Amino acid sequence: AQRVTQPEKLLSVFKGAPVELKCNYSYSGSPELFWYVQYSRQRLQLLLRHISRESIKGFTADLNKGETSFHLKKPFAQEEDSAMYYCALRGGSYIPTFGRGTSLIVHP
Amino acid sequence: DTEVTQTPKHLVMGMTNKKSLKCEQHMGHRAMYWYKQKAKKPPELMFVYSYEKLSINESVPSRFSPECPNSSLLNLHLHALQPEDSALYLCASSQDGTIGIQYFGAGTRLSVL
Repeated sequence: AQRVTQPEKLLSVFKGAPVELKCNYSYSGSPELFWYVQYSRQRLQLLLRHISRESIKGFTADLNKGETSFHLKKPFAQEEDSAMYYCALRGGSYIPTFGRGTSLIVHP
Repeated sequence: DTEVTQTPKHLVMGMTNKKSLKCEQHMGHRAMYWYKQKAKKPPELMFVYSYEKLSINESVPSRFSPECPNSSLLNLHLHALQPEDSALYLCASSQDGTIGIQYFGAGTRLSVL
C-alpha cells in the first residue's frame, strides 16, 4: 500500500520567512514523488517532481529515502505563494496518491 | 497546447436531472482521469481511462457514468445525484497510465439541489 502524510493542515508565515512544507510517504518500492499547487480559483498544477531535481518559483524538494520524506522548501516566502500544496506519490499502481494538503498562508 | 479544457465551469442541477460534464485535451495523451474534490480536500480518484478503455473504477456509484468517445474526449454523465455529490469535478490527462505527469483541467463546480 502507498500512503502520503502531510502533517500540517495549515502553515502560516510572514513574508520573507523560510517555509518548509512536510511530506512523508510509505511505499515499499521506488516511488515517484510530486508537489502540486492549487492557487485560489485556479487549477491544480504540478510544481515539482523529484526526478527533475529543479527549482520552480524558488521552491526545492529533495527525496530522502532514509527518512521517506519529500519536504518542500523555500528560503524566503512571498505573498503570492499562498495556496494549497499537495504532495503526491506514484508507485506500482501508476495512479498518484495525494496527501491531504497543506494550506500555506503568507502574511505581508 | 498543454491545456485540459472542462465544460461547463459551473453546473446547478436538481436530483432528478440528467446532465453531462465534458473534458477535452489535444496533447495526444492516452490516459484520462476523473476526480472529485471537496473544499480544502485532496482530489479523490473516480475513474481512469487508458487508451479509451475504462481501466479503473474506484467503486463509484452508478449515478456517475463515464464515457470516452475518443482519445481526446472524456465525458461524465450524471443522473439522480444527491446533494452530497456537490463538489468540484476535475479532469486530468497524462501521456499514458504509466508515465508522464498529470495535467488538470480547471474543473466543473457542481451543485446538486
